[in-house]
Amino acid sequence: NAGVTQTPKFQVLKTGQSMTLQCAQDMNHEYMSWYRQDPGMGLRLIHYSVGAGITDQGEVPNGYNVSRSTTEDFPLRLLSAAPSQTSVYFCASSFLAGTYNEQFFGPGTRLTVL
Amino acid sequence: SQKIEQNSEALNIQEGKTATLTCNYTNYSPAYLQWYRQDPGRGPVFLLLIRENEKEKRKERLKVTFDTTLKQSLFHITASQPADSATYLCASHQFYFGTGTSLTVIP
Repeated sequence: NAGVTQTPKFQVLKTGQSMTLQCAQDMNHEYMSWYRQDPGMGLRLIHYSVGAGITDQGEVPNGYNVSRSTTEDFPLRLLSAAPSQTSVYFCASSFLAGTYNEQFFGPGTRLTVL
Repeated sequence: SQKIEQNSEALNIQEGKTATLTCNYTNYSPAYLQWYRQDPGRGPVFLLLIRENEKEKRKERLKVTFDTTLKQSLFHITASQPADSATYLCASHQFYFGTGTSLTVIP
């Protein structure tokens, strides 16, 4: 099993550009989520999904879109990048939401917006 | 609002000693807390989960306690080793994470 994979590992964008961060898991997990991690702020939840076709907002959803068309994939879209979105982004998955299950994290995408 | 707080000050200890990290929560009562380890440039890795009705949980050299009266969880690493140097994150309900505490074990 590859676990949770994320691409790309690094990305530099100019203000106003759009891009999609890819996330995939091969563990048949129902629950997937996106976090951003900033110095001194810890991990903050952006969006999450409890199954294919179901998504919801987390703590900091503005500027980001998600969709979940399959169990395996959960891409994060930045429609118009802003310098405030410079951060490290982590995708995570777990077997079920809201239960006593550990989250498996991907290796992260380091995004810089100029 | 719900909050998870960890001591942001880095912790330095001598090899062989016990490291103790603190996680405090406010404005809610989590049904469980999780502890993760994060190495530089990598994603967090799950270590332990403790439920609110469990006072203590152990896994090898790791021990976690959950005190619902104090609204606090303590994370202990006994016989610490330089390889234990990392940032340790406390989390609840899969959504809320603390900022983490950086631990350095000095040989």
